[in-house]
Amino acid sequence: RKEVEQDPGPFNVPEGATVAFNCTYSNSASQSFFWYRQDCRKEPKLLMSVYSSGNEDGRFTAQLNRASQYISLLIRDSKLSDSATYLCVVNPKGGYNKLIFGAGTRLAVHP
Amino acid sequence: DGGITQSPKYLFRKEGQNVTLSCEQNLNHDAMYWYRQDPGQGLRLIYYSQIVNDFQKGDIAEGYSVSREKKESFPLTVTSAQKNPTAFYLCASTNPGQGNFQPQHFGDGTRLSIL
Repeated sequence: RKEVEQDPGPFNVPEGATVAFNCTYSNSASQSFFWYRQDCRKEPKLLMSVYSSGNEDGRFTAQLNRASQYISLLIRDSKLSDSATYLCVVNPKGGYNKLIFGAGTRLAVHP
Repeated sequence: DGGITQSPKYLFRKEGQNVTLSCEQNLNHDAMYWYRQDPGQGLRLIYYSQIVNDFQKGDIAEGYSVSREKKESFPLTVTSAQKNPTAFYLCASTNPGQGNFQPQHFGDGTRLSIL
């Protein structure tokens, strides 16, 4: 089993749609969690950290379920500019901050 | 502006040749990392360094070498022993000492191909 697994893509949605990405992680002792966004042929950029109580940043909402070892990202009112690959990232130990990256889920928002 | 600078953006390696990828940061971060990304795959850790003059192997260190002589610099050498070097190489940095919720920040990457 992979340490971090994500929904296979691509997700093709119209503008204005709500889309949800899921991610599971295998290490129950994992300390911190992130969603990164990666545009085609570019570096990953931090979208948001994921906190235990869940957190929201504008149209983006992240949830963490430690019991099920599950992380989600919800995007509301999708924009064309949201088209990218979304990477689920887990820090299994904290401390020296070694991150484990999921393979990513590609989102394509069309007019 | 603070950030991470990788160079060159594109690099071509001849068979049997060693090449070095540069990574410089002015964020005053203690920890630096090198990742490799292949198409359709997640990032895989090559080497990381928590402090100057110290570095550790990641998951795929074979065929690579690094040095950390200065806090701001963490060059990666792809040696001739790395038989499949074609990939997108990403350098990142962070300050792990500030707690668990510390994301890594990335440079804009180097694309390495074989001639």
